[in-house]
Amino acid sequence: GENVEQHPSTLSVQEGDSAVIKCTYSDSASNYFPWYKQELGKGPQLIIDIRSNVGEKKDQRIAVTLNKTAKHFSLHITETQPEDSAVYFCAASQAAGNKLTFGGGTRVLVKP
Amino acid sequence: DSGVTQTPKHLITATGQRVTLRCSPRSGDLSVYWYQQSLDQGLQFLIQYYNGEERAKGNILERFSAQQFPDLHSELNLSSLELGDSALYFCASSEGQNSNQPQHFGDGTRLSIL
Repeated sequence: GENVEQHPSTLSVQEGDSAVIKCTYSDSASNYFPWYKQELGKGPQLIIDIRSNVGEKKDQRIAVTLNKTAKHFSLHITETQPEDSAVYFCAASQAAGNKLTFGGGTRVLVKP
Repeated sequence: DSGVTQTPKHLITATGQRVTLRCSPRSGDLSVYWYQQSLDQGLQFLIQYYNGEERAKGNILERFSAQQFPDLHSELNLSSLELGDSALYFCASSEGQNSNQPQHFGDGTRLSIL
């Protein structure tokens, strides 16, 4: 089955700097890659997603890139703010499958 | 607010007991997914229902079962509870039946087994 590895497990950045989280997946049939942000006491919130026919997608300060050949995708957060502090999860899914496989999560701390 | 409602927020019970967790999906969503989140296992997919029918199974124990009712709300039943079942249980919903569509999560039920 699909295996998703996520790095780093923790990330501390200064406010205003950029944060990058990387994920690799094992199944070349995976074609949908969402990113979730989870704040304390809350459920995961979908912040951006990308499909395999697209190499990059942006939404304000957040961007995701996908390299299908290398089977990795990354989340980029620019101009980080204290409210970006949370745990971020990447995930991968196939069209034919019915399972979203999650990475282990990255705890991001933005220091003011 | 994702539009997905889970009750109760917290549940404390003892080993050997049985509990039921409830989920109401977003309006218009036909799929409900259940996930377990523990510190050492991360987010694990348990089971999916689409329009009342079981659609996919993940790492769900035989002691656990779920169903989706005609009004599309879903319940996850956990029986013969063990200490290791202590975790956060999340429900997510999506429009269609495939997992390669956006899933929206509720805020979870925290289950503590004493």
